[in-house]
Amino acid sequence: QVQLVESGGGVVQPGRSLRLSCAASGFTFSSYGMHWVRQAPGKGLEWVAVISNDGSKKNYADSVKGRFTISRDNSKNTLYLQMNSLTVEDTAVYYCAMRASYTANDIPPSFFDYWGQGALVTVSS
Amino acid sequence: DIQMTQSPSTLSASVGDRVTITCRASQSISGSLAWYQQKPGKAPKLLIYKASSLESGVPPRFSGSGSGTEFTLTISSLQPDDFATYYCQQYNSYSLTFGGGTKVEIK
Repeated sequence: QVQLVESGGGVVQPGRSLRLSCAASGFTFSSYGMHWVRQAPGKGLEWVAVISNDGSKKNYADSVKGRFTISRDNSKNTLYLQMNSLTVEDTAVYYCAMRASYTANDIPPSFFDYWGQGALVTVSS
Repeated sequence: DIQMTQSPSTLSASVGDRVTITCRASQSISGSLAWYQQKPGKAPKLLIYKASSLESGVPPRFSGSGSGTEFTLTISSLQPDDFATYYCQQYNSYSLTFGGGTKVEIK
């Protein structure tokens, strides 16, 4: 069965960097686009970024563009989110998420039928 | 970006009640709308996609309707397991956006 397991969360000072990982199993990771979605404490959901199955296409929310980088290593079945220049507004649980539908090197807008359990990132001095 | 507005933000109801949540888009999204249920400390769970298609394994008391800019999620007979927060999400275009959520509480 599909499993997505995030790691790398923690407490970090404003202006510093952090990298999240999402280990995938139970499916052919290299066939599917992957997303990051976040949720600030007590708040709603915010889409962050998407990457195509082959890594060639990416898209970002305006709130993270230029600071966050989504990437993947299909040989390791792992998705990453490199977060630089963090601010207190980036404090959130970060979920990796996917739609189990092959999209052939493209990133069509989508809903999510699988989610990880989330990783908490706290930006605080 | 397309703004998604949910109402109400909180809803108090009893077991057995029929419950309706509304989601409005700031522009037409055709039928590209999903609904999720989220419980505290857990990831969201997909309930409905394409505005009215029931995700596999989701009880049929959940239903969705609408197109264009106005959508509804209906729970025909509220069960104890249904007390949670519900979110709509548009996937017509990037940036993907979610509604602010509707918390369904016990009356």
